[in-house]
Amino acid sequence: AQSVSQHNHHVILSEAASLELGCNYSYGGTVNLFWYVQYPGQHLQLLLKYFSGDPLVKGIKGFEAEFIKSKFSFNLRKPSVQWSDTAEYFCAVNHRSNDYKLSFGAGTTVTVRA
Amino acid sequence: EAEVAQSPRYKITEKSQAVAFWCDPISGHATLYWYRQILGQGPELLVQFQDESVVDDSQLPKDRFSAERLKGVDSTLKIQPAELGDSAMYLCASSPREISNEQFFGPGTRLTVL
Repeated sequence: AQSVSQHNHHVILSEAASLELGCNYSYGGTVNLFWYVQYPGQHLQLLLKYFSGDPLVKGIKGFEAEFIKSKFSFNLRKPSVQWSDTAEYFCAVNHRSNDYKLSFGAGTTVTVRA
Repeated sequence: EAEVAQSPRYKITEKSQAVAFWCDPISGHATLYWYRQILGQGPELLVQFQDESVVDDSQLPKDRFSAERLKGVDSTLKIQPAELGDSAMYLCASSPREISNEQFFGPGTRLTVL
């Protein structure tokens, strides 16, 4: 069974600091990769996704992620965080052989201090 | 902007009672998903519908959980009887086609079983 690992459970940053959240997955075939965000009191929403092509993907709100196939990784980055980036971030994977069912990581809580 | 609707937002019940959650997907979305998210973990798929048909309920505890989508539009997830371990967030998502290139999530129902 595939699995998704997020390395950090809780990250605390100051505004303007850079953010990088790690995500690794275990499946060896072709995958689709996603980062979802859940702001306090709001529902899960898609930040960005990768299906194919340029491994550097740009999403909403200044986020980007890089797919490194050799490392089975899809790390999320933002050069300069804002207080409003305080949220929980989930990495997710799906692929054709499991009928594209989404498998989520455990999530990383990001707290940005003003 | 179209959204997935869920009700109730919060539900407190005693163990052995029956509970039901409702989901109305984005209009026109053929695929509907129910997830359970335990605190500190990522969402886990319980059941997936394509129109009115169940396409995957392998992770649904069928001795106490049931789900239906009678007319292929809105859906109900029921737990009877509820157990303490069922306390979680129950998320509904929908997708415009069976291949879940992107799933749109509702706000969830927070269930507390006492």
